[in-house]
Amino acid sequence: QKEVEQDPGPLSVPEGAIVSLNCTYSNSAFQYFMWYRQYSRKGPELLMYTYSSGNKEDGRFTAQVDKSSKYISLFIRDSQPSDSATYLCAISRYSSASKIIFGSGTRLSIRP
Amino acid sequence: AAGVIQSPRHLIKEKRETATLKCYPIPRHDTVYWYQQGPGQDPQFLISFYEKMQSDKGSIPDRFSAQQFSDYHSELNMSSLELGDSALYFCASSLGFGQGGTGELFFGEGSRLTVL
Repeated sequence: QKEVEQDPGPLSVPEGAIVSLNCTYSNSAFQYFMWYRQYSRKGPELLMYTYSSGNKEDGRFTAQVDKSSKYISLFIRDSQPSDSATYLCAISRYSSASKIIFGSGTRLSIRP
Repeated sequence: AAGVIQSPRHLIKEKRETATLKCYPIPRHDTVYWYQQGPGQDPQFLISFYEKMQSDKGSIPDRFSAQQFSDYHSELNMSSLELGDSALYFCASSLGFGQGGTGELFFGEGSRLTVL
């Protein structure tokens, strides 16, 4: 079993829709949770970084962590074609100098 | 702002050859990470260095080695290349909380290795 599981998609939604991306993880020792966006042939780019359970909002993006059920989510409001990318959830035990474990990524396509 | 620089961007090698990838982290960052991303795969952690010392090791084959130099740049050396080594190799760097950073990993554009 992988330490973090993510539905690979692909997911296709119309412009303006709310997108929900989800991951589950297996080990409660993980405390730091991230969402990365990766465009084709580019390196992953950090979108959201959260610690412990709760919600964190940044513009059209909201990250949600439920440590009791080991479930993390990313919501994108008012989705735009430029949001089309692969979204990778990632987990880490420590805040720094520690490896990040990535989910398999969900390929998202926003239809104009 | 300066980003993580990787070279070369593209590399084509034959089976059993050797390849070296270079990474120049963001200035002042204290940790460098190497990840391998196969086609349609998620990035797999290979190895990391904190202040020029190996800090963590992942699924790095014995045929691969890496080091971080005094100027903080890092090199990933891959020998006896196999077809399955064809992938995007990402380098990332971070600055820990203890040094005033956030621990966020900043990724380079990647080096695409093709083994024929």
